[in-house]
Amino acid sequence: AQSVTQLGSHVSVSEGALVLLRCNYSSSVPPYLFWYVQYPNQGLQLLLKYTTGATLVKGINGFEAEFKKSETSFHLTKPSAHMSDAAEYFCAVSDSGGYQKVTFGTGTKLQVIP
Amino acid sequence: DTEVTQTPKHLVMGMTNKKSLKCEQHMGHRAMYWYKQKAKKPPELMFVYSYEKLSINESVPSRFSPECPNSSLLNLHLHALQPEDSALYLCASSERTGVSEAFFGQGTRLTVV
Repeated sequence: AQSVTQLGSHVSVSEGALVLLRCNYSSSVPPYLFWYVQYPNQGLQLLLKYTTGATLVKGINGFEAEFKKSETSFHLTKPSAHMSDAAEYFCAVSDSGGYQKVTFGTGTKLQVIP
Repeated sequence: DTEVTQTPKHLVMGMTNKKSLKCEQHMGHRAMYWYKQKAKKPPELMFVYSYEKLSINESVPSRFSPECPNSSLLNLHLHALQPEDSALYLCASSERTGVSEAFFGQGTRLTVV
C-alpha cells in the first residue's frame, strides 16, 4: 500500500519569499514521486518527478524537490514566490512494482501575498 | 503536441439523461485514465486503460461506463447519475502506467440536476 501526506492544506507566503510545500510518503517499495499544480477550473500540470538517480529534482517554473529516503519526504521548494504561483499543489506517489497506480495527496493551496 | 483534449468543458444533465464525455490524445500514449475530482479534494482514480484494455476499475458504480475505442480516444458514458456525481471529471494519459508522468486534460465540469 502507498500513501501521501501533505502537511498544511493552506500555505501563505509573501511575494519574493521562499516557498516550501511538504510531502511525506509511505510505500512498501521504492517509490516514484510527483508534484502537480492545478489552477482553478483547470487540469493538473506536472511540475517535476523523481524516479531514480539524482535525489534533487528540478522542475518547471523554478520549482525543485529533494527525495529524502531516510525521512520519507519529497518537499517542494522555490526560492522566490511569484503571484502566478498561487494555485493548488498535489504530491503523488506511485510504487515501482506491481501495477504502479498513482495516489494523490490531499493538496496544498498556496496563497501569494503581494 | 502534448495536449489532452476533453469535450465538453461543461455539462448539465438530468438524472434520467444519457450523456458521454470524450477525451482525445495524439501523443502515442498507451495508458489513459478517468479521474473524478470534487471541490477542494484531490483527483480520485476511476478507471485505467492500458493498451486499450480496461486494467483498473476502482469499484465505480455501473452508471459510469468507460470505453476505449482506439489508442487515442477514451469515452465515459453516463446514465442515471445522481446529484452527488456532480464534479470535475479529468482525463489523463501517459506513455504507460505509473512510472511516466500523466498529462491531464482541462476537465469536464459536470452538474447533475
